[in-house]
Amino acid sequence: DGGITQSPKYLFRKEGQNVTLSCEQNLNHDAMYWYRQDPGQGLRLIYYSQIVNDFQKGDIAEGYSVSREKKESFPLTVTSAQKNPTAFYLCASSIDPGTSGDTQYFGPGTRLTVL
Amino acid sequence: EDQVTQSPEALRLQEGESSSLNCSYTVSGLRGLFWYRQDPGKGPEFLFTLYSAGEEKEKERLKATLTKKESFLHITAPKPEDSATYLCAVQASAGTYKYIFGTGTRLKVLA
Repeated sequence: DGGITQSPKYLFRKEGQNVTLSCEQNLNHDAMYWYRQDPGQGLRLIYYSQIVNDFQKGDIAEGYSVSREKKESFPLTVTSAQKNPTAFYLCASSIDPGTSGDTQYFGPGTRLTVL
Repeated sequence: EDQVTQSPEALRLQEGESSSLNCSYTVSGLRGLFWYRQDPGKGPEFLFTLYSAGEEKEKERLKATLTKKESFLHITAPKPEDSATYLCAVQASAGTYKYIFGTGTRLKVLA
């Protein structure tokens, strides 16, 4: 079955620690995205990537970093510079965001908690 | 400013009691409007894509419609398993990768 996988499902981070969230897709989609979801707020874009080896900052990129070395993979690192990282993180992919109506498909999410 | 507003924030229905969820949007050129269902602790599940005013799409008990300023998600004779948060998102033309999400409507269907 085609889809998007995220791991781990739950992640705990200590103060000053960097952590990496995994996102893999086998949909053969060109574009991938990372969103953060907080209670009472809409999804907010952290980073997106249209093609391999290229990515762009979203609305809340500070304290986060990404890489896109393979089409299937788009890992997100939450660095110690992110002051309030506790949230639900969602990875998504789409065929071509340059196309009208390009649908994003989401993974199951990773819940990150700062201890 | 591009904006998506969903109402109501929360809705409780009796099983079989039909209702509608609203998604109002203000964007600089609509390229697509999307509805998702999200269960607690899970990622959003895609439901519908709408492209132009007047368009309608149906799936089981759900029907999505689109006007120039808003979209409705109609739920006909809901069942308890329809309980979830329903998210609306729009793809704006100002910026290829600009998708704007609403905060969602939490639906609870009582047996």
